[in-house]
Amino acid sequence: AQKITQTQPGMFVQEKEAVTLDCTYDTSDPSYGLFWYKQPSSGEMIFLIYQGSYDQQNATEGRYSLNFQKARKSANLVISASQLGDSAMYFCAMRERYRDDKIIFGKGTRLHILP
Amino acid sequence: DSGVTQTPKHLITATGQRVTLRCSPRSGDLSVYWYQQSLDQGLQFLIQYYNGEERAKGNILERFSAQQFPDLHSELNLSSLELGDSALYFCASSVEGSSYNSPLHFGNGTRLTVT
Repeated sequence: AQKITQTQPGMFVQEKEAVTLDCTYDTSDPSYGLFWYKQPSSGEMIFLIYQGSYDQQNATEGRYSLNFQKARKSANLVISASQLGDSAMYFCAMRERYRDDKIIFGKGTRLHILP
Repeated sequence: DSGVTQTPKHLITATGQRVTLRCSPRSGDLSVYWYQQSLDQGLQFLIQYYNGEERAKGNILERFSAQQFPDLHSELNLSSLELGDSALYFCASSVEGSSYNSPLHFGNGTRLTVT
């Protein structure tokens, strides 16, 4: 069973608009962390934001925020005021406390920002 | 700059050959992870080392092996290479071996092309 699901393979958004990238996850572990990474066309993986399963508030990092809905098991990334440089592949990932130590990644969403 | 160094950036080799990919983690990070990213498989976890010891194993082929040295750098050895091994290989590091709230910090990857 897929643990991380990103249902949007690709998205096109106008510059300066806000964008939401969807991510749902599946775990029975009460302790887990959720992460978002950005992969530009140059290939590097850039860590964007983290949300812990016990965090009461949604995480924010600059223009990035995480819309965490624990009961729905969703952790959507919101990018406010999108910029051309936001065009990239975005991966949602999860790390479970009581599982072996790897981070599991979704298949990603390719975001295109249009001028 | 994530602080994780991977060499070489690019590698082109022939089927049947053997190559070694090298990774230096961020200063202070004890855990090293290897991931394979191919077009149709997304990011696949291969193996993790923590302070020199193998901690977790993923979908790593028997033709592949890895180790972490006392200075914490790691090497991934790929042998009897096949066309399907062509991929981007990432190394990542994190501070602790079992902390679900620690992000992984990725190197820029090694692009392997098998011809």
